[in-house]
Amino acid sequence: DTGVSQDPRHKITKRGQNVTFRCDPISEHNRLYWYRQTLGQGPEFLTYFQNEAQLEKSRLLSDRFSAERPKGSFSTLEIQRTEQGDSAMYLCASSLLQGQETQYFGPGTRLLVL
Amino acid sequence: GENVEQHPSTLSVQEGDSAVIKCTYSDSASNYFPWYKQELGKRPQLIIDIRSNVGEKKDQRIAVTLNKTAKHFSLHITETQPEDSAVYFCAAGSPGYKLSFGAGTTVTVRA
Repeated sequence: DTGVSQDPRHKITKRGQNVTFRCDPISEHNRLYWYRQTLGQGPEFLTYFQNEAQLEKSRLLSDRFSAERPKGSFSTLEIQRTEQGDSAMYLCASSLLQGQETQYFGPGTRLLVL
Repeated sequence: GENVEQHPSTLSVQEGDSAVIKCTYSDSASNYFPWYKQELGKRPQLIIDIRSNVGEKKDQRIAVTLNKTAKHFSLHITETQPEDSAVYFCAAGSPGYKLSFGAGTTVTVRA
């Protein structure tokens, strides 16, 4: 499968725990995006990378959220001290920098915070 | 920041009829407008997009129109089929940058 992949697909955790999600973009895609989607809503932008550089972070993203893309390939999104309001689908997307603006989405990681 | 509004939130059409979904955006700097289809439990998939230098684009039964002056764009699906049933999202932004999405339209095609 050459599409965007995410792991895990589902995560259940207790309030206060830390969680980490992984995204593997389409190879040769140098832009990688994280979005969050809650039930009945469209994806909401969180942050994005060009290669290993984090270019923008949503002001809605609290300090409990951190994302990395250390080698410009896969990315991780960590949520510390999870809250029930963090329950959502976390979507990753990737795109080529030039010539193809399409953002291809992964299947998402569904997080449930109890 | 960009604000995208999408209407209607639900749409039920008879098979073979047309479906129209409308979106408005607020940021005049936005110049890229994709439409995504999301089936239940699956990832959003691009179905068509349009850039601001084009007023209309068509791909088989799907077409998108853009009115830059009024800051609105629309998705038209003709000859709807049961497999068109899904949630459709419009988005606005610039190519290669973050997208702002509408809240989605749940389309149900009645056989």
